[in-house]
Amino acid sequence: EAQVTQNPRYLITVTGKKLTVTCSQNMNHEYMSWYRQDPGLGLRQIYYSMNVEVTDKGDVPEGYKVSRKEKRNFPLILESPSPNQTSLYFCASSSGTSGTDTQYFGPGTRLTVL
Amino acid sequence: AQRVTQPEKLLSVFKGAPVELKCNYSYSGSPELFWYVQYSRQRLQLLLRHISRESIKGFTADLNKGETSFHLKKPFAQEEDSAMYYCALSERDTGRRALTFGSGTRLQVQP
Repeated sequence: EAQVTQNPRYLITVTGKKLTVTCSQNMNHEYMSWYRQDPGLGLRQIYYSMNVEVTDKGDVPEGYKVSRKEKRNFPLILESPSPNQTSLYFCASSSGTSGTDTQYFGPGTRLTVL
Repeated sequence: AQRVTQPEKLLSVFKGAPVELKCNYSYSGSPELFWYVQYSRQRLQLLLRHISRESIKGFTADLNKGETSFHLKKPFAQEEDSAMYYCALSERDTGRRALTFGSGTRLQVQP
C-alpha cells in the first residue's frame, strides 16, 4: 500500500534530550516535507527536501534539523527540544521536485516536551 | 514573504445550505493554490488545486488574482463535508519550493 509512515506516533520527552522522528515513504517521491500543526496557527512548514541531499528551510526551521540521505527517508531531528516544540508533526511527500504536486501526508506524531 | 489567510476559524451551516470558505493570499508572483481537507480521524488530503480547475465532491474554487482570493464553494452542504479545511500556496515562479498553509477553517454541517 502506498503510504507515508511516521514513528513514533506519540512521544513525551524532557527539555534538552535529543530526539528523532522518522518519516518514510514507499512511493518513490522526490519531494518530502515536515510540518507542525498548532491550534490557531494551522500547518507551518519546517523543512522540505526536493531530492536526496537537497534540503531547504520552510517557515519555522529554528530548533530543527533534517537530513535526506536516501530518497525514501526524511528524519526530523530535535537536538535540544524545548517546551515550545510541543506540537503535532506531519511528514508529507509528493512526486516531482516542486512541491506543487499532491502532498501525501503521514498520520502525525504528537510530541510533548516537558 | 507569502501569506495565506483564512479569516474564519469555524463555519457552521445547515445541510443543504450553500458553503463558502474564504481564503486570501498575499504573494507578489504567480502562485499555485490548493485546498486540503482533514476529516475526523483521517489524514490530511488534497481536495483540489486551482491549476486543474476541477470540481471534487461538489466543491469548486476559482483563483481571483485581482482580489488575491481562492474561496472554496459548494452549493449544497452535506453532513459528510464536516471537516477541517486548509488553503495552501506554493510559489510557482521562484526557486523556492516551500508550501504555506492558512490557519484552517472548521466546517460544521448540521442536520
